[in-house]
Amino acid sequence: QKEVEQDPGPLSVPEGAIVSLNCTYSNSAFQYFMWYRQYSRKGPELLMYTYSSGNKEDGRFTAQVDKSSKYISLFIRDSQPSDSATYLCAVGGNNRLAFGKGNQVVVIP
Amino acid sequence: GAVVSQHPSWVICKSGTSVKIECRSLDFQATTMFWYRQFPKQSLMLMATSNEGSKATYEQGVEKDKFLINHASLTLSTLTVTSAHPEDSSFYICSAPGTVNSPLHFGNGTRLTVT
Repeated sequence: QKEVEQDPGPLSVPEGAIVSLNCTYSNSAFQYFMWYRQYSRKGPELLMYTYSSGNKEDGRFTAQVDKSSKYISLFIRDSQPSDSATYLCAVGGNNRLAFGKGNQVVVIP
Repeated sequence: GAVVSQHPSWVICKSGTSVKIECRSLDFQATTMFWYRQFPKQSLMLMATSNEGSKATYEQGVEKDKFLINHASLTLSTLTVTSAHPEDSSFYICSAPGTVNSPLHFGNGTRLTVT
C-alpha cells in the first residue's frame, strides 16, 4: 500500500464551480498535512498546511483533515481559470514527507 | 515567506557531460535541503537529503557517484549530474524547510534535457 493515495484525475470543472480534491494516507504517525499547487514546468508552491484535524480556511481555499479516517481534502470555491494546475497533497512526520501523485485540475472559462 | 531559488531553470547538455544545478535559500538558512526528481505526470521522488557540512543521504536506488551533492554553506546546495545520459532527462527540484518542522518550500525546478 502506498503511503499516500491521490487520484491523478484530470478533473475539469466550469469556472465558478467548487473543486474538491482528496487524499488518503496509511500511516497514522504522520502529523502535518499540506497541499501544494504546481503549474506546468514550475516547482510546487505551498498552498495550505495544517497540523490538526478539522478545517482551515484561506480565502477561497479550505483544507480539511480527518485523522481518524486518514483522509485529507482541499476545496477551492469560486474556481478561476488561474486555478488550473496540478495539486499535490503531502503528509509529514517523524522526519519523513510523502507526496501524493498530484491531481490535475482544469477550470474551463 | 521563505524563498528558494534554483538555477538554471532549463539546461540542455550532450550525453557524457556533467551539469551542475544550484539551490539557494534566499532569506533563511537551511541546514538541510532536499533534492527531488519528477517525471511527467508523476509525483515528486526524493533523491537525496543534503546536509550542510556533511555527506548527503541518498535514497535507495539513487547512485551517489552519479548525482553529486555538495552543501558547502547554509544557503547553498548543489546537485551535479555526472556523465549525463538521455535517461537522466527529467525535472529536478530542490526544497528546504523554512524552519525546523515547517513545510517545505520549493525552488522552481530545473528541466534537464540530455541529447
